Amino acid sequence: TQLLEQSPQFLSIQEGENLTVYCNSSSVFSSLQWYRQEPGEGPVLLVTVVTGGEVKKLKRLTFQFGDARKDSSLHITAAQPGDTGLYLCAGIEWGNMLTFGGGTRLMVKP
Amino acid sequence: EAGVAQSPRYKIIEKRQSVAFWCNPISGHATLYWYQQILGQGPKLLIQFQNNGVVDDSQLPKDRFSAERLKGVDSTLKIQPAKLEDSAVYLCASSLVAANYGYTFGSGTRLTVV
Repeated sequence: TQLLEQSPQFLSIQEGENLTVYCNSSSVFSSLQWYRQEPGEGPVLLVTVVTGGEVKKLKRLTFQFGDARKDSSLHITAAQPGDTGLYLCAGIEWGNMLTFGGGTRLMVKP
Repeated sequence: EAGVAQSPRYKIIEKRQSVAFWCNPISGHATLYWYQQILGQGPKLLIQFQNNGVVDDSQLPKDRFSAERLKGVDSTLKIQPAKLEDSAVYLCASSLVAANYGYTFGSGTRLTVV
C-alpha cells in the first residue's frame, strides 16, 4: 500500500482567506484525484489530474499535480463557509484502485 | 442517474455479534469497492470486485470479514464476530472500468460496536 500524506490535518480559517492543502507521496501515481466529504456523506469527486505539472481550476479551487507525479496541492481562494468539509486526495498507481490520504479537515468561519 | 445505495445508514451492535451491510451500485458500473473509514481518517480499501469476481481483498481481515457480489450487481459485506475496533463508516463505491472517471460513493453505513 502506497502512502499518501496530507497536510495540514486540520485548518480553521476566516471567510475570505486563502488556503493551500498538500498531498505528498514517495510513489509515482498515474493520476491523482481530490474528493470532498461532508459529515454523514460519502466523498464526492472534485477533480482528476493526470499529467505531471497539470493545473486545473474549478471556480475558486486550483489543483496542481507535481511534475514528478508524486505530489499535489489544492488552493482555495477567498474561502467560504460552504467550503467546510474533509478534503481527501487519492492516488491511482495501477489498476483501478484508489489509495486515499488521511484527509484535511477544513473549517471556514463566517 | 441514481446514486450508490447503501443500507442500513446506522447500526449499533454488541461486540461478538454479526452484522451485514448492503450496497447497490450505479447501473452499468462493473467495479465495486468497499472501504472502511475510521473517524478522523481517510477511507481504507477492504475489497474490490470486477463484475462478480474479486480483484483485490488483500486488506480484508478474512478471519471476520467476508463480502460477495452475486450476479455482478448488488454486494454485501459481513462482519462476524464484530470487535470494538470495527466501529467505523463502511463506504461502498462503484466506477466504470477506468478509475480516472472517479468513484461514486454511497452515503455509507455508520457502525458502532459497543
